[in-house]
Amino acid sequence: AQTVTQSQPEMSVQEAETVTLSCTYDTSESDYYLFWYKQPPSRQMILVIRQEAYKQQNATENRFSVNFQKAAKSFSLKISDSQLGDAAMYFCAYRSFLIKAAGNKLTFGGGTRVLVKP
Amino acid sequence: DTEVTQTPKHLVMGMTNKKSLKCEQHMGHRAMYWYKQKAKKPPELMFVYSYEKLSINESVPSRFSPECPNSSLLNLHLHALQPEDSALYLCASSQEGGVGITQHFGDGTRLSIL
Repeated sequence: AQTVTQSQPEMSVQEAETVTLSCTYDTSESDYYLFWYKQPPSRQMILVIRQEAYKQQNATENRFSVNFQKAAKSFSLKISDSQLGDAAMYFCAYRSFLIKAAGNKLTFGGGTRVLVKP
Repeated sequence: DTEVTQTPKHLVMGMTNKKSLKCEQHMGHRAMYWYKQKAKKPPELMFVYSYEKLSINESVPSRFSPECPNSSLLNLHLHALQPEDSALYLCASSQEGGVGITQHFGDGTRLSIL
């Protein structure tokens, strides 16, 4: 079974600065998807960024970018130019490429709370 | 604005009550999910429906009964719940495969059991 680990329970960043959230995972599969979701106090889980394991290029979405190291099974999220609206819980998640392997299941990490100081 | 709509937003019920949570999406997704989330924890998968058929039940107690009447609707029927069932219940939907497998979540229903 796959596991996802987020080793930082909480991170604090000054507005306009950069913060990096770590995520490691354990899998024996070669093809899979990785996600970062954001959950603000409003409760909705919002997709931040997605990475396909077969793509070597790191995904980027505006101020959000990932550092995907497949051999090291690492998937960190960098938030640049942090804004007050970035304050939230961030969850890293893994999904098998093949539905038959594990159904449509997402495996989540424990989450990292991001605090943004004005 | 969320594309997955959950009602009600908040629900308070006694342990003997029967209530239902509702989830609706109009994105043409054929997979729908129920998650339970406790405070400061990640969501825990409860059920997955694929093409209106139950495909995954994560050993959820029978006091939770899911229903998928059509491809756009997902219900969670609640009966004789326990205080430990108080949580945020999230619904999500996605395509079955390919680039559309990203799960889209609703705002959730905050459930409190008295």
